[in-house]
Amino acid sequence: KNEVEQSPQNLTAQEGEFITINCSYSVGISALHWLQQHPGGGIVSLFMLSSGKKKHGRLIATINIQEKHSSLHITASHPRDSAVYICAVFMNRDDKIIFGKGTRLHILP
Amino acid sequence: GAGVSQTPSNKVTEKGKYVELRCDPISGHTALYWYRQSLGQGPEFLIYFQGTGAADDSGLPNDRFFAVRPEGSVSTLKIQRTERGDSAVYLCASSLRGGQAYEQYFGPGTRLTVT
Repeated sequence: KNEVEQSPQNLTAQEGEFITINCSYSVGISALHWLQQHPGGGIVSLFMLSSGKKKHGRLIATINIQEKHSSLHITASHPRDSAVYICAVFMNRDDKIIFGKGTRLHILP
Repeated sequence: GAGVSQTPSNKVTEKGKYVELRCDPISGHTALYWYRQSLGQGPEFLIYFQGTGAADDSGLPNDRFFAVRPEGSVSTLKIQRTERGDSAVYLCASSLRGGQAYEQYFGPGTRLTVT
């Protein structure tokens, strides 16, 4: 079992839909990152979380440390949101970072 | 200001050859990370520099892989006797300091293809 699991692996939705991407992890962590990767490889950091909730524009990220789970939400989704969304965790024991495999999101116009 | 840059953007090499991949971090960032991303997978940690020294090289898959950062800025990832399994996108990231408190800024990656 991977230490960081994301679901779904692939998601196709219509423009305007509310999107939720989930990340579960099995190790003790000090922080969790949500990253966005567009075709061509460029990765952008969206959020860094250690507790609670953060919001930036149409993006919301939440984390529940007790349940070892985080969600990334996109409201009023748009075709330009189409990308791979990657969850990455910093492990408590050594600050090493482990990445999920990513969720490929495709928003149809 | 300028972000993290990586050169070359693409590299095709024959099995058994030696390759060097370069990363220019954001000026002033002391921490530099190398990752490898295979098709359909998330990035995989290779090595982390704090300043000039490798603080953690536990992700390097074997002794064919080596990285340096002699002056604490530019880093070079070196792969000897390349194998087809080395084909991947090699990503570099930098942050102001090391550790979880600091956001990492990623470069565009170098796509390595070993034929």
